[in-house]
Amino acid sequence: DARVTQTPRHKVTEMGQEVTMRCQPILGHNTVFWYRQTMMQGLELLAYFRNRAPLDDSGMPKDRFSAEMPDATLATLKIQPSEPRDSAVYFCASGGTGHRGYTFGSGTRLTVV
Amino acid sequence: GESVGLHLPTLSVQEGDNSIINCAYSNSASDYFIWYKQESGKGPQFIIDIRSNMDKRQGQRVTVLLNKTVKHLSLQIAATQPGDSAVYFCAEIPWGQNFVFGPGTRLSVLP
Repeated sequence: DARVTQTPRHKVTEMGQEVTMRCQPILGHNTVFWYRQTMMQGLELLAYFRNRAPLDDSGMPKDRFSAEMPDATLATLKIQPSEPRDSAVYFCASGGTGHRGYTFGSGTRLTVV
Repeated sequence: GESVGLHLPTLSVQEGDNSIINCAYSNSASDYFIWYKQESGKGPQFIIDIRSNMDKRQGQRVTVLLNKTVKHLSLQIAATQPGDSAVYFCAEIPWGQNFVFGPGTRLSVLP
């Protein structure tokens, strides 16, 4: 089965450090989402891309978060500097044109100490 | 994996019984709905979807019911199995907008 691949699976870092999370969407999918999941807030949309162009990043703290798609096979989410409140599981999801049941990756569990 | 939503509503059912998970959605303009299943340490997994022009859709062991009058969605799982234990999310999609996920319900299957 085609799958969305996220790396790393786990990341522990110290406050103030830069964190980069990567996502390889399913080949041919043109829509990519970044979600954050916490116990308190549930699943929150951070940003999404269509055909590599950012369409909405209103859910993302702009001062420290950035999301990019350098090419169709790679999406990145960067936090600089990281803070303890950023500790969460970050999911990437991808979908094709007209396909609205998106496929999620297994997530990156980020712990900022 | 990380425990998701320790404060989530929990539904406990006996193995072999039917499960009904409910979801209230907020936007009357939502025209598409999806149920996702999330097992511990994994991402949400698509189960079944339904469009607003339908009130019922069946899959393998699962049925989704949509009541637009009261903005209510339910997921029925027949003959619940231990592998069904997970957190279940409903998602509504208003036309032209993105998913809005509900808070989730934890399903616990008792032996």
